[in-house]
Amino acid sequence: KQEVTQIPAALSVPEGENLVLNCSFTDSAIYNLQWFRQDPGKGLTSLLLIQSSQREQTSGRLNASLDKSSGRSTLYIAASQPGDSATYLCASAFSGGYNKLIFGAGTRLAVHP
Amino acid sequence: AAGVIQSPRHLIKEKRETATLKCYPIPRHDTVYWYQQGPGQDPQFLISFYEKMQSDKGSIPDRFSAQQFSDYHSELNMSSLELGDSALYFCASSKGLAGVSGANVLTFGAGSRLTVL
Repeated sequence: KQEVTQIPAALSVPEGENLVLNCSFTDSAIYNLQWFRQDPGKGLTSLLLIQSSQREQTSGRLNASLDKSSGRSTLYIAASQPGDSATYLCASAFSGGYNKLIFGAGTRLAVHP
Repeated sequence: AAGVIQSPRHLIKEKRETATLKCYPIPRHDTVYWYQQGPGQDPQFLISFYEKMQSDKGSIPDRFSAQQFSDYHSELNMSSLELGDSALYFCASSKGLAGVSGANVLTFGAGSRLTVL
């Protein structure tokens, strides 16, 4: 069964800290992996998309990596800010199910001043 | 830039009633996806359409049906509503099918929150 798991479930850090969010997936036949941000009760904002042929993607203070062999992806947030507080979800499309994004349960991040 | 538009944003229904959610994709996007996110849960894929034809099906109950119209907007119809149907329903759109058109980023709408009493 294709599953996506995220740890930790929640994280609280002081402002300015660099942090890493982890995502693991059970099927190495991954097509792509996306990281999303979700504010409480709001929609999903796509942050970064990594194709299976790529190792990492960067956007501003965000860097996402993909290691298919170990079934892991990490989202690195540099110099965290209170405005980064949100739930971060990773989602994967697997070969044979391209249209079905399978989501992890998310990591709830709180950055306090 | 135009985004994915979902309506209504909030909907309250009684058990056993029927509800219809609408999704208007980004202009020139031809693929629509529906996801259901229960309270404290991760989004679960329900169904998708490409060029007005169903392209994939997930954990969509038989009480639910959906279609994509000639203008590419989509509607999710939910009948015999149950308390467990209370959730945030997301629609996403893309240009082409993932796996066919390369880097296929799904753009999500803000969601429609359904509350069943």
